[in-house]
Amino acid sequence: GENVEQHPSTLSVQEGDSAVIKCTYSDSASNYFPWYKQELGKRPQLIIDIRSNVGEKKDQRIAVTLNKTAKHFSLHITETQPEDSAVYFCAALWGSGGYQKVTFGIGTKLQVIP
Amino acid sequence: GAVVSQHPSRVICKSGTSVKIECRSLDFQATTMFWYRQFPKQSLMLMATSNEGSKATYEQGVEKDKFLINHASLTLSTLTVTSAHPEDSSFYICSARDPQGNEKLFFGSGTQLSVL
Repeated sequence: GENVEQHPSTLSVQEGDSAVIKCTYSDSASNYFPWYKQELGKRPQLIIDIRSNVGEKKDQRIAVTLNKTAKHFSLHITETQPEDSAVYFCAALWGSGGYQKVTFGIGTKLQVIP
Repeated sequence: GAVVSQHPSRVICKSGTSVKIECRSLDFQATTMFWYRQFPKQSLMLMATSNEGSKATYEQGVEKDKFLINHASLTLSTLTVTSAHPEDSSFYICSARDPQGNEKLFFGSGTQLSVL
């Protein structure tokens, strides 16, 4: 199966600064890597994703980079705002056909200090 | 994006009782749904994959007789926690694959189960 490691587990940044969360995966066949934001007691919300055929994707203040060779991918949030405070999960899709599964990282609790 | 509805959002029950959680795909058909469990401050752990019209596929370590999954229609999957015990207290959340056929997952709102 797939093993996804994520760090740091907690991250505090000043408002306006950047935040970076890093993940590694073990299955070289994984080809889809989503990032989710989860607020306390709420459902995870997809914020950005990247497929293995690209190295970087950006959506306003959020960007994700992927290094297939090293099997790691990172989430970058620039100009952080207090409402960015949440738990962020990276994930990797693995398997094939009807047996594809998503494995999640352990999560990073991001706190943006006003 | 696609909407997945999950009920109830919160349930408190006595030890030994059974609890049913419903997960519905609104305005789209979901042949496959996934059930996750999330303990406080931990990640989402896949429990089982629910397939419409066939038996669910359980992850290693998940008791299929304790966590009964039924996916009788293309829009509804249910998870029944049978004879619940305090250690079953957790946040249970379902998800469905994007009906547009890509890899995206859409999650239900989750069910916080507390077993007394």
